[in-house]
Amino acid sequence: EAGVAQSPRYKIIEKRQSVAFWCNPISGHATLYWYQQILGQGPKLLIQFQNNGVVDDSQLPKDRFSAERLKGVDSTLKIQPAKLEDSAVYLCASRLTGGKGTDTQYFGPGTRLTVL
Amino acid sequence: DAKTTQPNSMESNEEEPVHLPCNHSTISGTDYIHWYRQLPSQGPEYVIHGLTSNVNNRMASLAIAEDRKSSTLILHRATLRDAAVYYCLNSGGSNYKLTFGKGTLLTVNP
Repeated sequence: EAGVAQSPRYKIIEKRQSVAFWCNPISGHATLYWYQQILGQGPKLLIQFQNNGVVDDSQLPKDRFSAERLKGVDSTLKIQPAKLEDSAVYLCASRLTGGKGTDTQYFGPGTRLTVL
Repeated sequence: DAKTTQPNSMESNEEEPVHLPCNHSTISGTDYIHWYRQLPSQGPEYVIHGLTSNVNNRMASLAIAEDRKSSTLILHRATLRDAAVYYCLNSGGSNYKLTFGKGTLLTVNP
């Protein structure tokens, strides 16, 4: 079974520039998550999708971050404009269903963003 | 958000058992206890989960206290490949959200 795919793996940008990350979840997984992981910390949930609808975006900085999941499959996360504090690894995860505590989240390898 | 407490770091020797503790002081009755680990430069990976009873799988064992306020992840024979950050989490609420803490950095000595 193919895992969660993310691209690019690495990105370096100047502050105030824009950047986009792409995620392809495991086939058939209805729930998709984006996390931000700052060095030395655990992942922090940014947004959760159930199919193509947003379930939780309470920790997404909506003035600069946006995410979409068209057709309930792939997803993109965008930052515009980027700040120095956005330097982090951005992780995508997917899960088979959104309503059971026993379902496992499968994580992609992440995109490491460096903002200069 | 559900919070857990873990030691910042632990050390073990190769081929010895490792017991990683976690306190789940705010766990609710319907929350599951999950353990994930994160190897260097990789995304987190699932290790094991349970609700009330002790659980075993090919990777590890999970011992859950009777009051569910604490759990212990047991690696029966640590290998160098088990060196990672281990996270314990409560999964609950309407969205079964996972809230990660800083985890425990496990070092395995050869």
